[in-house]
Amino acid sequence: GENVEQHPSTLSVQEGDSAVIKCTYSDSASNYFPWYKQELGKRPQLIIDIRSNVGEKKDQRIAVTLNKTAKHFSLHITETQPEDSAVYFCAASGVGGFKTIFGAGTRLFVKA
Amino acid sequence: EAGVTQFPSHSVIEKGQTVTLRCDPISGHDNLYWYRRVMGKEIKFLLHFVKESKQDESGMPNNRFLAERTGGTYSTLKVQPAELEDSGVYFCASSPGQYNSPLHFGNGTRLTVT
Repeated sequence: GENVEQHPSTLSVQEGDSAVIKCTYSDSASNYFPWYKQELGKRPQLIIDIRSNVGEKKDQRIAVTLNKTAKHFSLHITETQPEDSAVYFCAASGVGGFKTIFGAGTRLFVKA
Repeated sequence: EAGVTQFPSHSVIEKGQTVTLRCDPISGHDNLYWYRRVMGKEIKFLLHFVKESKQDESGMPNNRFLAERTGGTYSTLKVQPAELEDSGVYFCASSPGQYNSPLHFGNGTRLTVT
């Protein structure tokens, strides 16, 4: 079945450094790749998404890249701040329905 | 706009008991989803409603789980009888009718089966 692999499971960085989270997906029909951030005790919220017709998208300190050939996509956070500390989930969905498949999450710690 | 609301926020029940979780989606969102997250693992798809119809229930673990969405508004997820492995956080999410639009999550219900 479809699945999404996410690495690393835990990531610790110093404030101001960059953080990169990588995901791979199995269903080649996937064409929509959202990223969600879940802060402690709160609901997952969309932070950025990318569709298969583009290879990169940026929003301030956050960027996503997509390699459809390799079925890889990544989240890049630059100039990390303590408030970036959270669990980040990558996800994929595509043709055939609205089912979104999630990765296992990456717990990001940003040390001040 | 009001967000997705879920009730209760926490539930602790004994094995063999019944629990019913409720989700109120964002008004006007035709799509309603149930997901479950077990500690440290992925947010796992359970099922998807379009209005009152079950579009995809391929993620439902077994027949102890029953989801309904009467009238296409709020939804309930009943677990009967509950087993230890049913413990986890149950998320509800909704989205408007457009294909591949972002999910709006509720705060989740943390279910503990003892």
